[in-house]
Amino acid sequence: RKEVEQDPGPFNVPEGATVAFNCTYSNSASQSFFWYRQDCRKEPKLLMSVYSSGNEDGRFTAQLNRASQYISLLIRDSKLSDSATYLCVVNIAGEGQGFSFIFGKGTRLLVKP
Amino acid sequence: EAGVAQSPRYKIIEKRQSVAFWCNPISGHATLYWYQQILGQGPKLLIQFQNNGVVDDSQLPKDRFSAERLKGVDSTLKIQPAKLEDSAVYLCASKPGQSSYNEQFFGPGTRLTVL
Repeated sequence: RKEVEQDPGPFNVPEGATVAFNCTYSNSASQSFFWYRQDCRKEPKLLMSVYSSGNEDGRFTAQLNRASQYISLLIRDSKLSDSATYLCVVNIAGEGQGFSFIFGKGTRLLVKP
Repeated sequence: EAGVAQSPRYKIIEKRQSVAFWCNPISGHATLYWYQQILGQGPKLLIQFQNNGVVDDSQLPKDRFSAERLKGVDSTLKIQPAKLEDSAVYLCASKPGQSSYNEQFFGPGTRLTVL
């Protein structure tokens, strides 16, 4: 089983739609969770961290379910500018001092007029 | 605040040649990462430095890849000799401190094509 799994999509949605992505992770010792956004031929950028209690940032809501080992991202009122690849990222404590970021393959979102 | 700098932005080489990439992280960021991102995939961690020490290089193909961060600031990643399957974008990222909750900031990447 892969460490971090995402549906690659693409998700094709009209403007104004609500869309949700899920991501599952295999390591129960995972410490922290993030959603990154990556535009075509650009570097990934942090969209939001995912907290145990769930968190919201404008039109974006992230939730964590530790028991089932998945995180989700909900985008409300989709905009054309939301078109991008959304990367699920899980942080796992390494053997040494640091933490390793494990990325999923990403879910591609296309918002159409 | 200046971001993570990488150079070159693009590199085309033939297989069996050598190549080196350079990264200058955000000032004061102790942790530095090198990732490989193959088209259609998420970034894959190659090596992680904490200051000038290696924290995790378990996924670095050590027979051909090497990396260093001698003074705990800039870093170089080298491939020698390159293979066709090394064609990818090589991303450098940095973050402050050791907390797992710190955001990591990515550079623009170096796009490597091996012919």
